[in-house]
Amino acid sequence: DAMVIQNPRYQVTQFGKPVTLSCSQTLNHNVMYWYQQKSSQAPKLLFHYYDKDFNNEADTPDNFQSRRPNTSFCFLDIRSPGLGDAAMYLCATSRDPGGYTDTQYFGPGTRLTVL
Amino acid sequence: ELKVEQNPLFLSMQEGKNYTIYCNYSTTSDRLYWYRQDPGKSLESLFVLLSNGAVKQEGRLMASLDTKARLSTLHITAAVHDLSATYFCAILTGNQFYFGTGTSLTVIP
Repeated sequence: DAMVIQNPRYQVTQFGKPVTLSCSQTLNHNVMYWYQQKSSQAPKLLFHYYDKDFNNEADTPDNFQSRRPNTSFCFLDIRSPGLGDAAMYLCATSRDPGGYTDTQYFGPGTRLTVL
Repeated sequence: ELKVEQNPLFLSMQEGKNYTIYCNYSTTSDRLYWYRQDPGKSLESLFVLLSNGAVKQEGRLMASLDTKARLSTLHITAAVHDLSATYFCAILTGNQFYFGTGTSLTVIP
């Protein structure tokens, strides 16, 4: 049973053309995260939502925005993709980072190609 | 600056051999996570270590945590090809997860 779903799995966009990546979860977790992962690198946190509270990493470019309309869904908007934004984008959830046994559950990722 | 470093970054080992991957972190954290990532795939949670001295084992993998030394180890026993993947450790601090540099493991027949 899929728990964290990302759509699409593969996205091709043109330089400068806005793109939206989608994440949904069936776990009813409070926290949703967006990571960017480039080849052979560790995932880099872009931002996360703790319920409706948005937390942006200091070095996340303004080009990246996020929306969480409800508990189940979270979107990543890239307003003007550049070649350097080509990467795997991973969505993850956790029940509560302060929870005793909590871990993150990752979606399958969206591979973004920028032409 | 918060750092989570893994050693080695690349590991090639023969089937049947044992080896240990190390994860050092620079800030206080009482919980440590290990994840596995297959090429082109997402991350899969392996272990959650919640206290000093915690040890967990699953199959040929065993993870331990020493919070005083800010060190976690992932020990591989009698490696098999199916264990070939990239392994990440991560710490939780300030409600955020910080990932290590990753260790790319290749098990050779």
